Amino acid sequence: QKEVEQDPGPLSVPEGAIVSLNCTYSNSAFQYFMWYRQYSRKGPELLMYTYSSGNKEDGRFTAQVDKSSKYISLFIRDSQPSDSATYLCACDRGSTLGRLYFGRGTQLTVWP
Amino acid sequence: ETGVTQTPRHLVMGMTNKKSLKCEQHLGHNAMYWYKQSAKKPLELMFVYSLEERVENNSVPSRFSPECPNSSHLFLHLHTLQPEDSALYLCASSQDQGPTAQFFGPGTRLTVL
Repeated sequence: QKEVEQDPGPLSVPEGAIVSLNCTYSNSAFQYFMWYRQYSRKGPELLMYTYSSGNKEDGRFTAQVDKSSKYISLFIRDSQPSDSATYLCACDRGSTLGRLYFGRGTQLTVWP
Repeated sequence: ETGVTQTPRHLVMGMTNKKSLKCEQHLGHNAMYWYKQSAKKPLELMFVYSLEERVENNSVPSRFSPECPNSSHLFLHLHTLQPEDSALYLCASSQDQGPTAQFFGPGTRLTVL
């Protein structure tokens, strides 16, 4: 079983839709959870960073962590064509090694 | 220059060539990482350096040889690669090794013929 599972999509939605991106993980030791956005031919950029369970909101983006079910989500409200990218979830145990476990990424297209 | 830069952005090499990838971070971080990104696969951590010392080698073949001369620069020396090594190679940096966010460069797209 992979440490972090993520449906690669592709996911295609119309502009203005609410997008839900999800990952599951198997290691209960994970404490830190991140979402990265990667545009075509670019490196991943950090979008959201959360610790333990709960919600975190930043503009149109909301990250949600449910440690009881080992489920992490990213919601995008009022999606825009500029949100078209691959979204990667990542988990960290909080050890000293800075070891991130990544999902495969979900490719999102928002069409006008 | 800001953030994390990588050169070259694209590289095509034969299986007998020797080449090097370069990464430079301008963020004042003290940890640096090499990742391999292949299509439809999760990012694979290759090497971790903290304060210029290698702290993790994630079972990477010896045809990949990292070098970290200082906390701002990281190299990946390549020799006798295989076609399956073709991928996007990403460099990242972070302030500490611990649970802090990693910041990525744009990557080097490597093609091995």
